[in-house]
Amino acid sequence: GAGVSQSPSNKVTEKGKDVELRCDPISGHTALYWYRQSLGQGLEFLIYFQGNSAPDKSGLPSDRFSAERTGGSVSTLTIQRTQQEDSAVYLCASSLARRYQETQYFGPGTRLLVL
Amino acid sequence: SQQGEEDPQALSIQEGENATMNCSYKTSINNLQWYRQNSGRGLVHLILIRSNEREKHSGRLRVTLDTSKKSSSLLITASRAADTASYFCATEGTNAGKSTFGDGTTLTVKP
Repeated sequence: GAGVSQSPSNKVTEKGKDVELRCDPISGHTALYWYRQSLGQGLEFLIYFQGNSAPDKSGLPSDRFSAERTGGSVSTLTIQRTQQEDSAVYLCASSLARRYQETQYFGPGTRLLVL
Repeated sequence: SQQGEEDPQALSIQEGENATMNCSYKTSINNLQWYRQNSGRGLVHLILIRSNEREKHSGRLRVTLDTSKKSSSLLITASRAADTASYFCATEGTNAGKSTFGDGTTLTVKP
């Protein structure tokens, strides 16, 4: 079956431009997560959605970062006025429900490079 | 700061040997998960162990959890070159919400 998909797979942008990253979760998964992984580092939690609402936005690094989810499915992570330190792989994951002990399934990530 | 911390940061072994990676965390958890990430690829879920479980097996993988020590270990037996990857532990805390990942252990299995 289809897994989590993300687009684009790679994005190169100039400093100061806005970017949008897209995540298509597994069908029927109500929970969706965004993470960021800098080179050689572990995952950094950004935001979590349950349905269309985001009960936990604590990981968003600045007000330049925002995310939305519509129809309980597709999510978009937007970074405004990108900076070089935003360069990283952005990973999306989904899980069946927001219960304890639910496995998260990850997409392949979007590799963002800000020049 | 990260909840889960893996050690060692890097591990290099010969094919056929066993590899053991450890994960320590700080706060109470509901579950702990291990993931693998091949270079340039997304994360792949390996195994989930609940807080009331002590040991779990999946193929050549064995995971233990010691909640009194707030630590977990991942053992890969009879390693293969294809096991070369970074391995991450992730903890889901008792506060509903996110899983927190460590920086990972980079495993190199030499053929």
